[in-house]
Amino acid sequence: AQTVTQSQPEMSVQEAETVTLSCTYDTSESDYYLFWYKQPPSRQMILVIRQEAYKQQNATENRFSVNFQKAAKSFSLKISDSQLGDAAMYFCAYRGPLTNFGNEKLTFGTGTRLTIIP
Amino acid sequence: NAGVTQTPKFQVLKTGQSMTLQCAQDMNHNSMYWYRQDPGMGLRLIYYSASEGTTDKGEVPNGYNVSRLNKREFSLRLESAAPSQTSVYFCASSERQGHFRGTQYFGPGTRLTVL
Repeated sequence: AQTVTQSQPEMSVQEAETVTLSCTYDTSESDYYLFWYKQPPSRQMILVIRQEAYKQQNATENRFSVNFQKAAKSFSLKISDSQLGDAAMYFCAYRGPLTNFGNEKLTFGTGTRLTIIP
Repeated sequence: NAGVTQTPKFQVLKTGQSMTLQCAQDMNHNSMYWYRQDPGMGLRLIYYSASEGTTDKGEVPNGYNVSRLNKREFSLRLESAAPSQTSVYFCASSERQGHFRGTQYFGPGTRLTVL
């Protein structure tokens, strides 16, 4: 079974600095999808960034980027120029290949709570 | 576009009562999902519907039933609520085609308390 591990329950960063959140996963598949979701106090699950495993290039979305190391099964999230609005719980999630209709679910890590220090 | 909407936002039930959580999406997605989130944990899949007319169990289906009413709507029913079902419930949808294939988009959640 796939597992997702986030080893940092809490992180903090000074406003305008850079922070990296860690995520490792376990899978026997070669084709899969990885995601980072942000959950602010409003509880809404907001997609931050996605990575398709067959793409070697790391995904970027404005201030958010990932370091995807397929062989090491590592998928870290880097937030540059941290802002107060980035404070939230961040979840790493894994989804198996789309060709497998029995493999629909996202497997989530337990989350990292990010605090931004003004 | 509203994306994924859920009703109600909050609900308090007594043990043994029943209720239905409603979910609708306007993104024309084929797949829809119900998750629960308990304190200190990520989301866990309860049921999903890969396409209109089909439903399948996820990780934690016991005590729940679902109905895929049409392509837009997917409801979750608790027939006899138990305190262990106190949780935050999320609905999500996704598509298998296109640039964002496989990406699940979530509703705002329903906080359910069972006394």
